[in-house]
Amino acid sequence: DVKVTQSSRYLVKRTGEKVFLECVQDMDHENMFWYRQDPGLGLRLIYFSYDVKMKEKGDIPEGYSVSREKKERFSLILESASTNQTSMYLCASSFRTIAYNEQFFGPGTRLTVL
Amino acid sequence: AQTVTQSQPEMSVQEAETVTLSCTYDTSESDYYLFWYKQPPSRQMILVIRQEAYKQQNATENRFSVNFQKAAKSFSLKISDSQLGDAAMYFCASDAGGTSYGKLTFGQGTILTVHP
Repeated sequence: DVKVTQSSRYLVKRTGEKVFLECVQDMDHENMFWYRQDPGLGLRLIYFSYDVKMKEKGDIPEGYSVSREKKERFSLILESASTNQTSMYLCASSFRTIAYNEQFFGPGTRLTVL
Repeated sequence: AQTVTQSQPEMSVQEAETVTLSCTYDTSESDYYLFWYKQPPSRQMILVIRQEAYKQQNATENRFSVNFQKAAKSFSLKISDSQLGDAAMYFCASDAGGTSYGKLTFGQGTILTVHP
């Protein structure tokens, strides 16, 4: 059974804190993605990685960074959390093929920044 | 750049009835893929159905089917014989394929309520 796990379901942090969100997949997928989900805006891509140590900016990378030291793990880092980063964060992974790429999602982390 | 628009923030349906969720998209790619994902309350997002743009035949998965109108750039989802378990947020998404690395562009989502 395919699995994408995220380190926390709920997280509360203070403004200015450094925040780490971890994502692990056990499907040997090359691609990994971080999205944020906000009401009325759907899912927006923050960063993605198509290989170890590779990363590419998505549509809204400002205020975020990522790390991928191992194939199965993709971390999202908020260097200095701000209240406008309060959101649901979803991690996903997929194979890197020319054909369609079904993405498998984690359960999400609901982050609140006070 | 691709854009995906879902103009129905909320929809409701009676159990056993049929409902259609709308989606329009815009892309300059000739080869692309379209998806409907389902996000049940407090549960993980899962793929419902996919459509390859080069295929004229509409995709079908059990009670779920799509109406793919390529010229109109429309991709609606029809749920037949609706069940209580179909209640969820539904997202339409597109993938440019090729060297896009599988990046998806999502619509705003439609919350589907199923009434018993």
